[in-house]
Amino acid sequence: DIQLTQSPSFLSASVGDRVTITCRASQGISSYLAWYQQTPEKAPKLLIYAASTLQSGVPSRFSGSGSGTEFTLTISSLQPEDFATYYCQQVNSYPLTFGAGTKVEIK
Amino acid sequence: EVQLLESGGDLVQPGGSLRLSCAASGFTFSSSAMSWVRQAPGKGLEWVSTFSATTSNTYYADSVKGRFTVSRDNSKNTLCLQMNSLRAEDTAVYYCAKHRGNSVGYREGDYWGQGTLVTVSS
Repeated sequence: DIQLTQSPSFLSASVGDRVTITCRASQGISSYLAWYQQTPEKAPKLLIYAASTLQSGVPSRFSGSGSGTEFTLTISSLQPEDFATYYCQQVNSYPLTFGAGTKVEIK
Repeated sequence: EVQLLESGGDLVQPGGSLRLSCAASGFTFSSSAMSWVRQAPGKGLEWVSTFSATTSNTYYADSVKGRFTVSRDNSKNTLCLQMNSLRAEDTAVYYCAKHRGNSVGYREGDYWGQGTLVTVSS
C-alpha cells in the first residue's frame, strides 16, 4: 500500500500569510495526487487534482505542485474561509489512501 | 446539479449489520465510478470501497474486506454498502463520493454527499 505523509500536521497562520503543506508518498505516484479541504461537520471538497490542476470554482490562491513522491499545496494569501483541514490523496493505485491531514488555524 | 444523499446510518451493536444507501442525481450514474469514504470521530479520512463503472470491479480497504460489500443499482441511481460483522472501530461518518472519471488518475472524489453516521456500540 502507498503511504502518504503530510506535514505539518498543524499550523497556525494569519490572514494574508502564504502557507505551504507537503505530502510525501512512500513510492512514486506520478502526478496522481489530489488535495481536499474540509471544514468542521462538512464533506471534503476537491481543490486540486493531477497534482496541479485547479478544480473548477476553486480560487486561484490555491496551487499545487510536485510529481513522483513529493507534492505541495500552497495558499498564496490565506483568507478567513481557508481555515480548515487539508488532506492529500493518492489515486495511483488501490487501496486509495489519504494523508493524515493538516489543520490550519488562525494565529 | 450533482447531488449525493446518503442514508441508513444508525446505532448498531457489535457484530450487527447495516446497509447504507447513496441516492445520486444530476449526472450519468451508470457511467460513474463511486466510492465510500469514512471518517471516525475526530479522525482523518479513510477510503473504504470503490465500485468501478466500466469494469464493474470492486475494491476494498483491508480493514473491511470480507465484511463489507459494495453494490450499485443503475436503474435506481443508487450505491449501497452492506456492512456485516460490525466492530466499534467501524464507527464513523460514511460519505459516498463520485469519481471524477473512470480510469487511473481520475479517481478523485469531485462530488461528495453530506455523510451518514454509523455508531457501533453496545
